[in-house]
Amino acid sequence: QKEVEQDPGPLSVPEGAIVSLNCTYSNSAFQYFMWYRQYSRKGPELLMYTYSSGNKEDGRFTAQVDKSSKYISLFIRDSQPSDSATYLCAIPGAGGTSYGKLTFGQGTILTVHP
Amino acid sequence: DSGVTQTPKHLITATGQRVTLRCSPRSGDLSVYWYQQSLDQGLQFLIHYYNGEERAKGNILERFSAQQFPDLHSELNLSSLELGDSALYFCASSVFARGQDGYTFGSGTRLTVV
Repeated sequence: QKEVEQDPGPLSVPEGAIVSLNCTYSNSAFQYFMWYRQYSRKGPELLMYTYSSGNKEDGRFTAQVDKSSKYISLFIRDSQPSDSATYLCAIPGAGGTSYGKLTFGQGTILTVHP
Repeated sequence: DSGVTQTPKHLITATGQRVTLRCSPRSGDLSVYWYQQSLDQGLQFLIHYYNGEERAKGNILERFSAQQFPDLHSELNLSSLELGDSALYFCASSVFARGQDGYTFGSGTRLTVV
């Protein structure tokens, strides 16, 4: 079983739709959870991060963590064509030498069409 | 511009050859991470250096090696190249050695082995 699993999609939605992106993870020791966005031919950029369970909102983006289910989500409200990108969940290591390592999900390719 | 500089942007080379990828981290960042991104494997962690010392190794082949120099720039050396080594290679940096702080990624080097 992979440490972090993400449905690769692709996902295609009309402009203005609410988008839900999800990942599951296997290690209950994980505490921090991140979402990166990667535009075509660019490096990933950090979009949001959360600590432990709960929700975090930033503009049109909401990150949600359910540690009991080992499930993390990213919601995008009022999606725009400029949101078209690959979205990757990422989880840092829980300790020791793995502390610096980020394990990424496979990435979900999102297309928002006008 | 993320502040992380990777050179070259594109590299085309033949099987069996050796190449060197270079990364300059963001000013003030002490950690450098190397990742390989291919279509079927996603973003795979290769190696992490912190202030010149190797901190963690991931799925890095024995044909690959890396180092971080006193000025904190890093080089990833790939030798005896195979067709399957064709991928995007990303460098990322962070201030400390904690993935929870998030990384800043460079734009990547696209390696094509023919």
